Amino acid sequence: DAKTTQPPSMDCAEGRAANLPCNHSTISGNEYVYWYRQIHSQGPQYIIHGLKNNETNEMASLIITEDRKSSTLILPHATLRDTAVYYCIVRVAYTGNQFYFGTGTSLTVIP
Amino acid sequence: DGGITQSPKYLFRKEGQNVTLSCEQNLNHDAMYWYRQDPGQGLRLIYYSQIVNDFQKGDIAEGYSVSREKKESFPLTVTSAQKNPTAFYLCASSIVLAGHNEQFFGPGTRLTVL
Repeated sequence: DAKTTQPPSMDCAEGRAANLPCNHSTISGNEYVYWYRQIHSQGPQYIIHGLKNNETNEMASLIITEDRKSSTLILPHATLRDTAVYYCIVRVAYTGNQFYFGTGTSLTVIP
Repeated sequence: DGGITQSPKYLFRKEGQNVTLSCEQNLNHDAMYWYRQDPGQGLRLIYYSQIVNDFQKGDIAEGYSVSREKKESFPLTVTSAQKNPTAFYLCASSIVLAGHNEQFFGPGTRLTVL
């Protein structure tokens, strides 16, 4: 049970912003939203995480709705190297540090 | 250079043989994890360990075994009881702390059973 819903695939033009949505309507108050990405045949890479405030780092921005039932990962200027599968994960509380990865969104950045 | 290493990158075994996948980390992380990934699928948790000499089953532990004798090492054995062992295996580690627990992943081992 991945607890999140993401579109299976998206395209984005190089240089444009990529906006990747995620629904997590059953999220609990103390659960964080994490984003990872996986480039083909490599281990996943952490991107960003948040609880209820919007977050920004050098890689991306995370926008979480006020009701916390959905979020959007924004890559502000997509490059070809951003082509990857992006996973939105809700961290399950009180069960150690397990992360449940769904099937993610396959983002293709088009030249 | 801190990180997680998995070896080998590619592994071939005959059906019915047990095989052990290596995972080592020098990040001083208490928690370590094993995931399995099949083509076009997400990651599924096999086993995890939050402290030395202790580990817990994940969602798909059947046919696998682990040990955690040292903080740095968390080897995974794929036994002959695992019906479909061919897959991409990923090891990860993290600190154990309430709140942010970023998992750091190794490069993975691709196991093919012939």
